[in-house]
Amino acid sequence: EAQVTQNPRYLITVTGKKLTVTCSQNMNHEYMSWYRQDPGLGLRQIYYSMNVEVTDKGDVPEGYKVSRKEKRNFPLILESPSPNQTSLYFCASSLKRTGTLSNQPQHFGDGTRLSIL
Amino acid sequence: SQQGEEDPQALSIQEGENATMNCSYKTSINNLQWYRQNSGRGLVHLILIRSNEREKHSGRLRVTLDTSKKSSSLLITASRAADTASYFCATDVGSGGYQKVTFGIGTKLQVIP
Repeated sequence: EAQVTQNPRYLITVTGKKLTVTCSQNMNHEYMSWYRQDPGLGLRQIYYSMNVEVTDKGDVPEGYKVSRKEKRNFPLILESPSPNQTSLYFCASSLKRTGTLSNQPQHFGDGTRLSIL
Repeated sequence: SQQGEEDPQALSIQEGENATMNCSYKTSINNLQWYRQNSGRGLVHLILIRSNEREKHSGRLRVTLDTSKKSSSLLITASRAADTASYFCATDVGSGGYQKVTFGIGTKLQVIP
């Protein structure tokens, strides 16, 4: 089954304790992206990756890191989490989003709810 | 600021009625897509309309696009309780290389059985 898998689904942690949210897709997609969803603000893009070893900042990258060493995986790293990073996080993937393939629909994971105390 | 903004933010209708949601955006776009999000789940792609199209249908969904007004609407006909979800518009902006997609805030639809 084609899917985007995020882990963990829920996490409560404390300020300053490094954490990683994993994201894996099995559709051989080039493009992957991380979003956070907050009430009244919709989905905001954190980072995206056009392909292996190619990553770039989205609209709200501060406090986050990503890496893309393999095509299927795109982990989100919070080196020193703070309470303002409490949010619902989504990973998404699609075929490449350039040129004539710019309209590719994104496939989303089921989300990771992070609470940082 | 958000590229796409949905209106209304919340909508409650009876089963069998039609539901209309609107999306306005600020800059010229290449495509506009609608997504659905069930409570506690990720977004699911519904339909895409290109900037040179005015209307598109998919099952009970009808999407219109008015580029002169920078707006789109999503109509769900003969709604069902299972249509209860949040609906988001997403705009594709850019030329040549990477096309950035920006999501709106969403419309929360409740269909009452």
